[in-house]
Amino acid sequence: DTEVTQTPKHLVMGMTNKKSLKCEQHMGHRAMYWYKQKAKKPPELMFVYSYEKLSINESVPSRFSPECPNSSLLNLHLHALQPEDSALYLCASSQSPGGNEQFFGPGTRLTVL
Amino acid sequence: QKEVEQNSGPLSVPEGAIASLNCTYSDRGSQSFFWYRQYSGKSPELIMSIYSNGDKEDGRFTAQLNKASQYVSLLIRDSQPSDSATYLCAVYNTNAGKSTFGDGTTLTVKP
Repeated sequence: DTEVTQTPKHLVMGMTNKKSLKCEQHMGHRAMYWYKQKAKKPPELMFVYSYEKLSINESVPSRFSPECPNSSLLNLHLHALQPEDSALYLCASSQSPGGNEQFFGPGTRLTVL
Repeated sequence: QKEVEQNSGPLSVPEGAIASLNCTYSDRGSQSFFWYRQYSGKSPELIMSIYSNGDKEDGRFTAQLNKASQYVSLLIRDSQPSDSATYLCAVYNTNAGKSTFGDGTTLTVKP
């Protein structure tokens, strides 16, 4: 299995809702990433998990809360989002942290009303 | 100065031509360099990685790295309309412990 999967593909939520994005990989990768991508912009790093521990938090607002339950799973919990948080949320994984090739999932298209 | 800069584009080439995409980076200590292709509405797809000076070829794609000039490029030979996409250069910054993406260059291959 050489892919990263993400659910859901699309999500529409109100500003008072709580939702979660899920990411899964079965490549034995030990680093997992969350990125946010706005239209016509490059991916913007949010969080990095290295060996299931949060290693990088790019000063992301607390309304985004990552979780890594095990080496294959990565969640992003969303609460009290703003319309400007609407974007494509990408999960990626790499064999290990430190300059290795990253493989991206298909993304979750999030719309905040 | 941006950490990673790509030629602004958009870039348009005729089918069968060579497309040349360029990327410069500011951190002289960078060790790992990647090219991703992203079709509209899709996620980035890794197409090339390069770690040492020189050329690396994979099918119609050639990545070139010159660390002294802090320059990495991607050549696409015999360009096809299916190569039309945005190409993202990513550079791993050893000090920061993360990769930084350039803004991307949009390539259009005209039949």
